[in-house]
Amino acid sequence: GAVVSQHPSWVICKSGTSVKIECRSLDFQATTMFWYRQFPKQSLMLMATSNEGSKATYEQGVEKDKFLINHASLTLSTLTVTSAHPEDSSFYICSAREWRRGLAGGGFTDTQYFGPGTRLTVL
Amino acid sequence: SQQGEEDPQALSIQEGENATMNCSYKTSINNLQWYRQNSGRGLVHLILIRSNEREKHSGRLRVTLDTSKKSSSLLITASRAADTASYFCATARFKDSSYKLIFGSGTRLLVRP
Repeated sequence: GAVVSQHPSWVICKSGTSVKIECRSLDFQATTMFWYRQFPKQSLMLMATSNEGSKATYEQGVEKDKFLINHASLTLSTLTVTSAHPEDSSFYICSAREWRRGLAGGGFTDTQYFGPGTRLTVL
Repeated sequence: SQQGEEDPQALSIQEGENATMNCSYKTSINNLQWYRQNSGRGLVHLILIRSNEREKHSGRLRVTLDTSKKSSSLLITASRAADTASYFCATARFKDSSYKLIFGSGTRLLVRP
């Protein structure tokens, strides 16, 4: 199956610094990428949806100036946590949506692939 | 935002028994998916069921979908210790030309050897 990578897999930073997380679709073009965050023993919460070449759409309650998302190409989206604080410590997971038409037989593929996650710890 | 709830929140069973997890959601959907997640790890896609389907099987997994009740269930038969993980349902929907996959609250499954 398709692979989505995230880098770094974990990061520890000091309070007040900014951290950038990369999400790459390795063998397909992703017109849409999603960013989720997950607190310990909780579910994934959708933060924002990013489409290549346009501004991200943020979910209610997510600060767009705090979590900067850039989707510069069809294979790369970045999430920057600006002026990180301890409460931003979490597991951040990206996913990439592959949508493509089938061959002559018709049909289409519409699948969302998840990255392995990035664990952010802010001291 | 979370689409729905799952129950039970936690489930402990003996190896060999069946495990059933339920998921309820609130709005219309395009499809519903089930994922598993081992502690602190990434997600593994298990199965997808479309809104016009009622039941689907994959190996030891059986998923049902009742759109009239806005609910789904995941059955794992003949459970193994390796099935210990958190299981999430996720609903995919299209709204205003946008697509979203929203996760339920999850069920933590413990399979005792």
